Amino acid sequence: ILNVEQSPQSLHVQEGDSTNFTCSFPSSNFYALHWYRWETAKSPEALFVMTLNGDEKKKGRISATLNTKEGYSYLYIKGSQPEDSATYLCAYYGGSQGNLIFGKGTKLSVKP
Amino acid sequence: DVKVTQSSRYLVKRTGEKVFLECVQDMDHENMFWYRQDPGLGLRLIYFSYDVKMKEKGDIPEGYSVSREKKERFSLILESASTNQTSMYLCASRTGQSYEQYFGPGTRLTVT
Repeated sequence: ILNVEQSPQSLHVQEGDSTNFTCSFPSSNFYALHWYRWETAKSPEALFVMTLNGDEKKKGRISATLNTKEGYSYLYIKGSQPEDSATYLCAYYGGSQGNLIFGKGTKLSVKP
Repeated sequence: DVKVTQSSRYLVKRTGEKVFLECVQDMDHENMFWYRQDPGLGLRLIYFSYDVKMKEKGDIPEGYSVSREKKERFSLILESASTNQTSMYLCASRTGQSYEQYFGPGTRLTVT
């Protein structure tokens, strides 16, 4: 059974704090790792699709790294803002299996 | 912009009723998916479809069926709704060439 783990489950930070969370996934048969942001009452929105070991992607204050050999990815948010409050999902695509396998998400709350 | 729409944002049904959840995408995507999301369990795949009239069971297909008569539309059917099917239902689509999935806004179904 393929498992994708995310930690922590939830996180409460103050505005301006930097934060990071982890996604671990199977290191075999790796094709891609996705990060999504899911705000309340909205559709999950794709942040990054990462395919290469050592990949680092950035979108504004949010960045992500990927280690396919050891099977983990980190998502970093620099200087968190209240609008960053959302659930962050990672999803592993193993190719042979054909579908995304989602972690349970990390729920981030940023207090003004 | 890819758009995935779902027929209802909120739905309340009685136990035993037949329930239809509709999903439409406007980008000619081959692949469409139905997930449910429950607290502490993450996104779980119910059914998916690679093409018109094709369907495949996901991880939790029991109590559900699907229909894909047209490429843009993928329906999830609860033949006889039960209280344990109270959940948030998300539809998604993607092309056959890309890993990235696009999600609808979700339908929060309550079965009483």
